Amino acid sequence: DSGVTQTPKHLITATGQRVTLRCSPRSGDLSVYWYQQSLDQGLQFLIQYYNGEERAKGNILERFSAQQFPDLHSELNLSSLELGDSALYFCASSSWASHTDTQYFGPGTRLTVL
Amino acid sequence: AQSVTQLDSQVPVFEEAPVELRCNYSSSVSVYLFWYVQYPNQGLQLLLKYLSGSTLVESINGFEAEFNKSQTSFHLRKPSVHISDTAEYFCAVSDVEAGGTSYGKLTFGQGTILTVHP
Repeated sequence: DSGVTQTPKHLITATGQRVTLRCSPRSGDLSVYWYQQSLDQGLQFLIQYYNGEERAKGNILERFSAQQFPDLHSELNLSSLELGDSALYFCASSSWASHTDTQYFGPGTRLTVL
Repeated sequence: AQSVTQLDSQVPVFEEAPVELRCNYSSSVSVYLFWYVQYPNQGLQLLLKYLSGSTLVESINGFEAEFNKSQTSFHLRKPSVHISDTAEYFCAVSDVEAGGTSYGKLTFGQGTILTVHP
């Protein structure tokens, strides 16, 4: 158990819908990262928050957004869903926001868009 | 931009045999390399990492990786594998900007599925 929790574990929805994925980092970690894992794209970095502020952005679509709240949990919002958004979404947390930090990954949320 | 190439998508091997999972990277700035393991239906776990110093790094469960700057490689090895090592292994590089600014985000390779047969 990494100490990072993600809810829900599974999510099945229809095209055009909007969903929210939630992540609680390890106790004391200030940085949260979101990654998408799909068969065709592999594991891709989406976005990073550090202590409530956006720190870095990767290949995140405009239909996707995220935020980190004062209690440091984070939410990833996916809207106008398409079939291609079906994937495993991971959240990871680390103490700071440095290349030397170990990132601890949650178990992931499997999103299926029908 | 940094990138990671894992040369083998699948590696089948018999129990107690040695194994090498290959990883090559490209980077224009300082390099920080990681190997993560993903067991079925689980998240990723850090196996080992190279930040600086000795080019040979080891994990607690017998894996080791060697950073080779001239060949831009970070291959993962284990002299004798167990059934429990069956998993997907990901090589990753951490981004460091040209001015030395680091955010910690990881760029992953496509993964190598290691299957250990009895």
